[in-house]
This record gives sequence, C-alpha cells and structure tokens, in this order.
Amino acid sequence: DTEVTQTPKHLVMGMTNKKSLKCEQHMGHRAMYWYKQKAKKPPELMFVYSYEKLSINESVPSRFSPECPNSSLLNLHLHALQPEDSALYLCASSPSGSTDTQYFGPGTRLTVL
Amino acid sequence: LAKTTQPISMDSYEGQEVNITCSHNNIATNDYITWYQQFPSQGPRFIIQGYKTKVTNEVASLFIPADRKSSTLSLPRVSLSDTAVYYCLVGDLYNFNKFYFGSGTKLNVKP
Repeated sequence: DTEVTQTPKHLVMGMTNKKSLKCEQHMGHRAMYWYKQKAKKPPELMFVYSYEKLSINESVPSRFSPECPNSSLLNLHLHALQPEDSALYLCASSPSGSTDTQYFGPGTRLTVL
Repeated sequence: LAKTTQPISMDSYEGQEVNITCSHNNIATNDYITWYQQFPSQGPRFIIQGYKTKVTNEVASLFIPADRKSSTLSLPRVSLSDTAVYYCLVGDLYNFNKFYFGSGTKLNVKP
C-alpha cells in the first residue's frame, strides 16, 4: 500500500466553524507533513511531524492546529478561519530521513465563506 | 536555505526530449536536489532525486554540474500526459524534513 489518503475531499465552512482534516498512511512512514497550496502557486510547508512529534511549525497561525495521534494518522484542526485560508491542503509522508521521497495525498479542497 | 529559480512555462511537442533547468546558486553542501510533478487538483508526485553528476531512472534523468548551482531535469520523448507543473526542490540533509517548493515550471505538451 503506497497511498496517502485524505478526508474529506472537499470542505466548505464558515468563519465560526470548527472542522478537522484527516490524513492516513499505512506505509510505516515516520514523518508526516501538512502543506497549503493556493491556485497556481507551489505548495507551502505548514507543519512536519517526525516520529509523532512536531518538529517544524512554519509560523502558521494558531487557527490551524495539527495533531498526530499515532504514526499512521495526521489531523489538522481548523477554527475561526478566514476566507483567505481557502486553498488545497495537502498531506504527505516520508520514511524518515530528510532526503526521503515524500508521498502526497490528493488533498482537501477547503473553502471558507 | 537555498532558493530555486525555474522558468515559468515551457512548450514542447509529443515525442521530443524536454530539459527543464533549475538554478540554486546558494545550494549548501548538505543539500539534495529533488524534482516533483503535479497535475491539477492532485498532490505532487516524486520524479527523481540527486546530489551530484547524473542520476537516471525509468522516467527521467537529472544532470547536476560539478558546482551544483543548477540542475536539469530531462524528460525523454514526452507525451500529452506529461503536461503538468514540475517543481525543483533543494533540501538540507541535516535540517530534518525541511524542503521548500520552488515556483514550478508549467510544461505544455502539444500533439
């Protein structure tokens, strides 16, 4: 199984809502990532978990809260988002090392009204 | 952190070889060079990775000169399905998992 799955595929939420994005991999990878991608722009790194510990937080606003319950799961909790947060949110995983290939999920298309 | 520069777009015809160059003038000793491909509304997909000289796999080749200040992704005999955005990344070997995507090159393959 070389797949990273993400749910939901699409999400529409209001600025006062609380929602969560989910990511799962069963490749035994020990590093997992969240990226944000706006239209016609490259993915921007948000968070990196290494061995279930947050190792990188790219100065992301606190309305985005990551969580890694175990080595296979990665969540991104959303609260009080702004319309400019609308984007494609990508999850990725890699075996462990900093030069490892990253395997990306299909993403969640988020729209904030 | 090494910044990368790529052409915004390139056009090609089916069956041609395509070379996409990425500049990374301040690449560090510990940095690796990685290329990803992305189709619309999909996550990026790994193509190839290298440190120096030449690397080849079943889909592409990566050429890296001795000074490592640039790299060239070579796609042999492209097809319409190779139309995508290609990203060059330079990553620090010891700055754990910290890779940044460049601006990307939109490759348009025409029949």
